[in-house]
Amino acid sequence: DADVTQTPRNRITKTGKRIMLECSQTKGHDRMYWYRQDPGLGLRLIYYSFDVKDINKGEISDGYSVSRQAQAKFSLSLESAIPNQTALYFCATSDRHWGEDGYTFGSGTRLTVV
Amino acid sequence: GESVGLHLPTLSVQEGDNSIINCAYSNSASDYFIWYKQESGKGPQFIIDIRSNMDKRQGQRVTVLLNKTVKHLSLQIAATQPGDSAVYFCAEKTGANSKLTFGKGITLSVRP
Repeated sequence: DADVTQTPRNRITKTGKRIMLECSQTKGHDRMYWYRQDPGLGLRLIYYSFDVKDINKGEISDGYSVSRQAQAKFSLSLESAIPNQTALYFCATSDRHWGEDGYTFGSGTRLTVV
Repeated sequence: GESVGLHLPTLSVQEGDNSIINCAYSNSASDYFIWYKQESGKGPQFIIDIRSNMDKRQGQRVTVLLNKTVKHLSLQIAATQPGDSAVYFCAEKTGANSKLTFGKGITLSVRP
């Protein structure tokens, strides 16, 4: 099983719909992140959480919300999806002590909003 | 604002040659740097890292060089193979509670 699992892998949704992307990890890491990847723009941080009771906005949090249900689970919601939220979304985890592997990424969720 | 950037969007190399991928960073306070490889349809994978108190670190077929004077990071891949074809990202961290800031990525294409 993957260390960081994202579901679904692919999703097509309509404008205005609410959608949740889920992430779970078996790394035992305290810190979890949600990134968005667009062509030519690299990875941009949406939200991050340093522990279960800690939630922080990243550089592009508008239109998104998150929930840290447990140390191992961090979900991203789009309350009312819009076409420019079409992107590849990645969840990542890291150890608070910055172990030798930095972030561990999931395989991504490809979201298309039509 | 602070940013991490890459000099070239694409790099094409002949199989067997050495590859050098460059990255400029602008935050002189960054203390940790990582190179990631992203293959098509997959998430970024850790390749190698380096802390700011080092100027060189070697892994298996890869070497990372850090020049803090000019704020430059490079990834050298020896004897490039078709399996090295991917997008490569550099990333930097500033401070213990900081997040990683990623460059935009460069595509490495290996010619047979």
